[in-house]
Amino acid sequence: EIVMTQSPATLSVSPGERATLSCRASQSVSSNLAWYQQKPGQAPRLLIYGASTRATGIPARFSGSGSGTEFTLTISSLQSEDFAVYYCQQYNNWPPATFGQGTKVEIK
Amino acid sequence: EVQLVQSGAEVKKPGESLKISCKGSGYSFTSYWIGWVRQMPGKGLEWMGIIYPGDSDTRYSPSFQGQVTISADKSISTAYLQWSSLKASDTAMYYCVRLPGYSGYDYLDYWGQGTLVTVSS
Repeated sequence: EIVMTQSPATLSVSPGERATLSCRASQSVSSNLAWYQQKPGQAPRLLIYGASTRATGIPARFSGSGSGTEFTLTISSLQSEDFAVYYCQQYNNWPPATFGQGTKVEIK
Repeated sequence: EVQLVQSGAEVKKPGESLKISCKGSGYSFTSYWIGWVRQMPGKGLEWMGIIYPGDSDTRYSPSFQGQVTISADKSISTAYLQWSSLKASDTAMYYCVRLPGYSGYDYLDYWGQGTLVTVSS
């Protein structure tokens, strides 16, 4: 089973600042990596797939990069609605298609 | 508009059985994999397994194999997750999800609203 490790666990950022979230895979997952956002009391929603492709309706301030074992989600200028928990997920090797443990982006 | 609508919250006792549902609409239900994801209270996401409603091909995470059963009724565009004997540790939110690709090796593009299952004596 591929282990996905996200860092940091919590990221404190001021509105308008840039946020950089990391996700590392225990072995290569090529570009088969997705990012999801989950707000309290809501289901997760897809942000990025294929490591760098934004899902439909996702603002351009969200961008993904990386391949192999190292991936990054960048939020260029944090808006109030972006404070949430973010998960990465690999879908290259399964079962299971594993998730990272999440990064909580909170208001500084 | 693609929608996955799940059944309502459940409160059960240990040892009881349960079947929760997920109805898909707005797309061809038999042409996309449907999966289930568990989220225990205050915890992260765990991929449980998937089913292809077109032919009922089903795949489980090793952690959930034998613990749950995933099924689908394509005549009513509904997928199911069931337990034969619940444990307190099954208390969690369960999400159904759609996978956009043909192979099943894919991300999760649509999510249901979640079904909260509480197991307590």
